[in-house]
Amino acid sequence: DAMVIQNPRYQVTQFGKPVTLSCSQTLNHNVMYWYQQKSSQAPKLLFHYYDKDFNNEADTPDNFQSRRPNTSFCFLDIRSPGLGDAAMYLCATSRAPGDEQFFGPGTRLTVL
Amino acid sequence: QKEVEQNSGPLSVPEGAIASLNCTYSDRGSQSFFWYRQYSGKSPELIMFIYSNGDKEDGRFTAQLNKASQYVSLLIRDSQPSDSATYLCAVKLTFGKGTLLTVNP
Repeated sequence: DAMVIQNPRYQVTQFGKPVTLSCSQTLNHNVMYWYQQKSSQAPKLLFHYYDKDFNNEADTPDNFQSRRPNTSFCFLDIRSPGLGDAAMYLCATSRAPGDEQFFGPGTRLTVL
Repeated sequence: QKEVEQNSGPLSVPEGAIASLNCTYSDRGSQSFFWYRQYSGKSPELIMFIYSNGDKEDGRFTAQLNKASQYVSLLIRDSQPSDSATYLCAVKLTFGKGTLLTVNP
């Protein structure tokens, strides 16, 4: 089945220790997104790739970076995680920007 | 700043009733509107999308869009306990906080 996969599902890191979250897709979609969602809040778009074009949201902290080495994979790097970065991180894909999105299961990040 | 507003609820309805979920948005030029369902601890899944004014029906779900009023709604007919979840309204890439729906058996 075509799908969006995120690894790991749960990630525990220490304050200030870099962490990388992974997303892969078999849908062959052109767009891949990263969202941050905290408890009882809306998913907040961090950035997205349209093919190789990177689109950063204006209020995304510099602490968050992303890489998309090919169509199937996209990574979220948090360079120096703070306690406030503990959240669910959602990867999603769509055929074109603004189309309906298909979400992976998410990675829950805990910062100690 | 583009905003999407939803009543956070909780909205509680009895099994078999119609649940009505509402959403307003600030960007008058928006063209694409989505409803996602999110169970506790899970990721959002697409329920419906609508691009044109009027109603769009899919099984027990009806999405309604009124661009002049900047208003989009989701009706769930014959609500089931399995419909209990948070419903997120999205306007292009901006999500509302969601409305928690509880369907009581």
